[in-house]
Amino acid sequence: QKEVEQDPGPLSVPEGAIVSLNCTYSNSAFQYFMWYRQYSRKGPELLMYTYSSGNKEDGRFTAQVDKSSKYISLFISDSHPCDSATYLCAMSGGSWGKLQFGAGTQVVVTP
Amino acid sequence: EPEVTQTPSHQVTQMGQEVILRCVPISNHLYFYWYRQILGQKVEFLVSFYNNEISEKSEIFDDQFSVERPDGSNFTLKIRSTKLEDSAMYFCASSDPRGGQQYFGPGTRLLVL
Repeated sequence: QKEVEQDPGPLSVPEGAIVSLNCTYSNSAFQYFMWYRQYSRKGPELLMYTYSSGNKEDGRFTAQVDKSSKYISLFISDSHPCDSATYLCAMSGGSWGKLQFGAGTQVVVTP
Repeated sequence: EPEVTQTPSHQVTQMGQEVILRCVPISNHLYFYWYRQILGQKVEFLVSFYNNEISEKSEIFDDQFSVERPDGSNFTLKIRSTKLEDSAMYFCASSDPRGGQQYFGPGTRLLVL
C-alpha cells in the first residue's frame, strides 16, 4: 500500500466551479499536511499548511484534514483558468521532517 | 518576497561525470532539503540538513551523493559519478524556523547522457 494516494486526474472543471481534491494516507504518524501547486516544469509552490485535524481557509482555498479517516482535502472556490496546474498533497510526521508527496492531480479549468 | 534560488536551471552531463547543483535557501531558514522528481513521477525526498549535518536521508541518497553548506548562504548537492537514472528535476527546499513550512526552489533539470 502506498503511503500517500492521490488520483492523478486530469480533473476538468468549468471556470467558476469549485475544484475538489483529496488524498488518502496510511501512516498514522503524519501530523503536518500541505498542499502545493506545481506548474509544468516549475517548483512546487506552497498553498496551504495545516497541523493535525481541522479546517483552514485562505482566500479561495480551503484545506480539510480528517485524521480519523486518514483523508485530506483541498477546495478551490470560484476557479479561474490560471488555477490550471498540478496540485500535490504532502505530509510529514514532524515539523521539519521529510515530506511524503502524493502523485499530484492535474487540474484544468476551462474558460 | 524571499525565495529559494537554484543554479543552474538546466544541466546536461555525460554518464560518470560529477555534477554540483547549487541552492541559496531563504536567509533566516535553518533546515534545508533536496528532493528530486523523475519525469512523470512523484516528488521524492533525498536528504535533509540541519546545523551543518545530515539529519535524515532516503535510500536513494547513497554514497554517490553528498551535500554541503560551504558558506553562510549556499547549499549544494554533489553527485560524484552520474548514472542515466539520475536524470530528473532536483529541487532544493528550506524550512521556516517558526513553523516548518518547506519552500521550494524552481529546480535544476539534470539530464545524464
